[in-house]
Amino acid sequence: AQSVTQLGSHVSVSEGALVLLRCNYSSSVPPYLFWYVQYPNQGLQLLLKYTTGATLVKGINGFEAEFKKSETSFHLTKPSAHMSDAAEYFCAVSDPGTGRRALTFGSGTRLQVQP
Amino acid sequence: NAGVMQNPRHLVRRRGQEARLRCSPMKGHSHVYWYRQLPEEGLKFMVYLQKENIIDESGMPKERFSAEFPKEGPSILRIQQVVRGDSAAYFCASSPPGLDGTDTQYFGPGTRLTVL
Repeated sequence: AQSVTQLGSHVSVSEGALVLLRCNYSSSVPPYLFWYVQYPNQGLQLLLKYTTGATLVKGINGFEAEFKKSETSFHLTKPSAHMSDAAEYFCAVSDPGTGRRALTFGSGTRLQVQP
Repeated sequence: NAGVMQNPRHLVRRRGQEARLRCSPMKGHSHVYWYRQLPEEGLKFMVYLQKENIIDESGMPKERFSAEFPKEGPSILRIQQVVRGDSAAYFCASSPPGLDGTDTQYFGPGTRLTVL
């Protein structure tokens, strides 16, 4: 079964600093990879996804992520944090090899942005 | 284009009662997914449905839980004889018809179930 590990349940950065949220997956076949953001008491919003092609993926709100097959990673970055980025971020995968559409989520990383 | 709609947003039930959670997918979407989020945890897949068909229910508890997506109307997640451990946020997602799993799943705002 697939699993997703998000290192660091809480990350705190200063406004304007680099944001780096880590995601590693376990799968023998490269999965489809997603990053979602969840604001308090709201649903999840897709930031970006990787299915095939270019391994550096750009998303909304200035976020990007790079798929590294050799490291089984899909870390999320943003060059300069804004206060509005404070939220919970979830990495998720699906397995194209099985045809199953269910997403497997990591446990989430809560991002705090300090003024 | 309205997003995924879920109602109610908050639901309080006493132990032993039934909970019915509704989800209306985005217009043009024929695939619906239900996920559960326990406090301080990520989302866990429960079930994937297309119109009138359950495609994947590998994440559904074997007892008390059922889901449907009828030809007309919203998808319903039904929990019978609720227990305190059922307290969670239940999210519905939808995606357009497609042949593979690359389609984005769009999430609703969730229903927060509290069992007293």
